[in-house]
Amino acid sequence: GEDVEQSLFLSVREGDSSVINCTYTDSSSTYLYWYKQEPGAGLQLLTYIFSNMDMKQDQRLTVLLNKKDKHLSLRIADTQTGDSAIYFCAETYNFNKFYFGSGTKLNVKP
Amino acid sequence: DTEVTQTPKHLVMGMTNKKSLKCEQHMGHRAMYWYKQKAKKPPELMFVYSYEKLSINESVPSRFSPECPNSSLLNLHLHALQPEDSALYLCASSQIAGEGQDTQYFGPGTRLTVL
Repeated sequence: GEDVEQSLFLSVREGDSSVINCTYTDSSSTYLYWYKQEPGAGLQLLTYIFSNMDMKQDQRLTVLLNKKDKHLSLRIADTQTGDSAIYFCAETYNFNKFYFGSGTKLNVKP
Repeated sequence: DTEVTQTPKHLVMGMTNKKSLKCEQHMGHRAMYWYKQKAKKPPELMFVYSYEKLSINESVPSRFSPECPNSSLLNLHLHALQPEDSALYLCASSQIAGEGQDTQYFGPGTRLTVL
């Protein structure tokens, strides 16, 4: 559960779709989360997915979970400049411990 | 209401000072957390309180002393800190158990600078 990996950077143009990827190691993870962090701010919960689900959609956000490959992705449709931030995935299989990925910095160019 | 508040927003202190960080939530959550976050890194768990009792201490130096006076409040007392303790300190809360109920909600953080 401690090796949650993300690519460090992603750059897209405004209006395009962004896909942020995450791989985790613990197959007993119960929930997987996506958080957004803007500069100087705390972490904002975007969405989470239960491990028995393959997909979850919430407005512009789509989460895909591939349990076989232990791969989680977050797709942001119609990316806006306000989406520029660092995105962290996190897994939990123990109610009180989260394991965060290293974070992906999303840069949205106008 | 999914708000966790933290005060102060910024804190500058010397290595001989004693200060406290405060965190408050009114969501009825019974688990509260302190994290330390260095620049461009993910948050690192420091302490977890469950039902106002310390349940996890991630080998944090004793110059950091947590306190949970009631189910809505969490404090972090600071004493004799080092410059390398400068970081963003994040508080979070969650329900204890249940479907989706361990989701952690974060406060805005306190930016701490130790001179």
